[in-house]
Amino acid sequence: ELKVEQNPLFLSMQEGKNYTIYCNYSTTSDRLYWYRQDPGKSLESLFVLLSNGAVKQEGRLMASLDTKARLSTLHITAAVHDLSATYFCAVDTGGADGLTFGKGTHLIIQP
Amino acid sequence: EPEVTQTPSHQVTQMGQEVILRCVPISNHLYFYWYRQILGQKVEFLVSFYNNEISEKSEIFDDQFSVERPDGSNFTLKIRSTKLEDSAMYFCASSGTGNQPQHFGDGTRLSIL
Repeated sequence: ELKVEQNPLFLSMQEGKNYTIYCNYSTTSDRLYWYRQDPGKSLESLFVLLSNGAVKQEGRLMASLDTKARLSTLHITAAVHDLSATYFCAVDTGGADGLTFGKGTHLIIQP
Repeated sequence: EPEVTQTPSHQVTQMGQEVILRCVPISNHLYFYWYRQILGQKVEFLVSFYNNEISEKSEIFDDQFSVERPDGSNFTLKIRSTKLEDSAMYFCASSGTGNQPQHFGDGTRLSIL
């Protein structure tokens, strides 16, 4: 059974600080997604990582994938309040399989 | 930008009743999915659907659940004999191929009383 573990599960940080969210998974996969969810809302796709060593950046967020280590990171640079949300990583094992999500990281950025 | 649309946004149903949640996937997509998220918990895969049949289903997707693509645009999830623990947000998703990212709808909040 594929397991996807995120840490931390809860993070409170101040604006302007940097931090990294980690996503470990237990089986071979070279496709990993990061989603953002605001309270009561749907899942917004942030990044699609499709190969070992993939790195993508959008604004203050940067995601990377190391398939050998089965690890993805989501790095936040100079955090701002608008980035407060829950961030999920999800692993795709291919074909028509559903995504396996981590438990999510609830991020609060305080002014 | 094309979207996955779900209706209703909120459904309140008495325990034991049947509910049908509806989804309109992105029009040129071929793979369709249902997920569920119990309040405050992670998103859980229920079922995937391709070529008019179920491709994969999770342990959650038991005989209480069924999916259908009744026409060329809708994709439905039926839950029979609803239970209190079926209360959750249900998300529909679609992708162009099995290797493309899944796009999620806004979800249907199902409340079982």
